[in-house]
Amino acid sequence: DAKTTQPPSMDCAEGRAANLPCNHSTISGNEYVYWYRQIHSQGPQYIIHGLKNNETNEMASLIITEDRKSSTLILPHATLRDTAVYYCIVRVVDDKIIFGKGTRLHILP
Amino acid sequence: DTAVSQTPKYLVTQMGNDKSIKCEQNLGHDTMYWYKQDSKKFLKIMFSYNNKELIINETVPNRFSPKSPDKAHLNLHINSLELGDSAVYFCASSRPPGNGYTFGSGTRLTVV
Repeated sequence: DAKTTQPPSMDCAEGRAANLPCNHSTISGNEYVYWYRQIHSQGPQYIIHGLKNNETNEMASLIITEDRKSSTLILPHATLRDTAVYYCIVRVVDDKIIFGKGTRLHILP
Repeated sequence: DTAVSQTPKYLVTQMGNDKSIKCEQNLGHDTMYWYKQDSKKFLKIMFSYNNKELIINETVPNRFSPKSPDKAHLNLHINSLELGDSAVYFCASSRPPGNGYTFGSGTRLTVV
């Protein structure tokens, strides 16, 4: 079973920052937070992951609260191509990935 | 260059037939996976192989038999296909430790 809770859907205006929340209140000390997304009819795509520090790459930023019980994925300037289902996953390094239901993000023109 | 490639992209077949889906990765990854995404869009892991050795088998019916001839290939053979096998099957690969998975573009299997 997935160990995360995400809102089923969200809207964001094109050009704005999309902030996707994720709750993982039972996360263990050795579990990382991973984010993937699945654009319609494509395979899931890795976005970013982190343990306790905030992380940033060319796609997104990941903000993890100090108690590690929740995190936020930030897409700084959302475009229509960011419309997808976003999955927040917690896992021990090298453990299998278990996908939950994710958040369906709609980018509005 | 395609990192994880699956063939075929679409597969329509009759109940009771036997079919195979092929997967190849050119990333030099050690571990490969098969996932199934059903009509409700849930993604579930089926199998995982590390250097040709089976490490995860998630209570998949034994009609499904993965085969890994080398660490760059993980094929999925399905015997006696049933209507409930209709789904999109995704292959993925990763290089531990801690790296993300790279997924293929999926194979849409329809059993009629």
